[in-house]
Amino acid sequence: DAGVTQSPTHLIKTRGQQVTLRCSPKSGHDTVSWYQQALGQGPQFIFQYYEEEERQRGNFPDRFSGHQFPNYSSELNVNALLLGDSALYLCASSLSGGLVYEQYFGPGTRLTVT
Amino acid sequence: AQSVTQLGSHVSVSEGALVLLRCNYSSSVPPYLFWYVQYPNQGLQLLLKYTTGATLVKGINGFEAEFKKSETSFHLTKPSAHMSDAAEYFCAVSGTGTASKLTFGTGTRLQVTL
Repeated sequence: DAGVTQSPTHLIKTRGQQVTLRCSPKSGHDTVSWYQQALGQGPQFIFQYYEEEERQRGNFPDRFSGHQFPNYSSELNVNALLLGDSALYLCASSLSGGLVYEQYFGPGTRLTVT
Repeated sequence: AQSVTQLGSHVSVSEGALVLLRCNYSSSVPPYLFWYVQYPNQGLQLLLKYTTGATLVKGINGFEAEFKKSETSFHLTKPSAHMSDAAEYFCAVSGTGTASKLTFGTGTRLQVTL
């Protein structure tokens, strides 16, 4: 049973550029959440997608956007990158309904902005 | 709004000693509570969760936690520490449905010494 996968593993971008991160959920899961984890901090919720719609959003600017595809995979897009966007980006998947709160995390994408 | 506070950013124990990591929560609705572990350069792994029912929950790797509503606490314990337990531990709280985002604490780094 494949778990949550993310790509790429590492990424280096320059300020002002745009980046796309990808996530495939655990088999059978239909909900995807994205989190940003800055160095030495706990993960911060960015947004959650269900049925290809953004269902919840955390306190992140509009530079952060996402998408969910019919196969439940998801992308996180960040425009106009800032140095402060350097972080580990974690994707988590879950199953809507009774266990929507039980989230399984992928290994993350380490983004470095220079 | 929901939040968690983890007391102690660093905890050091000897191998074989009791592990106690502290977490207090704040929630306006009945909370769902979680402990996650993160090893270096990896994603988050769910150790255990409390939703409803029995207040003492057992998780993987010999860890357990007790939900105490009167103290708004959900402390993580393990009777005997092993070197492999050295990692970062995060307490988290969530609601359900459209409020199922996880809100994390700032984490506690557990060091296990010989």
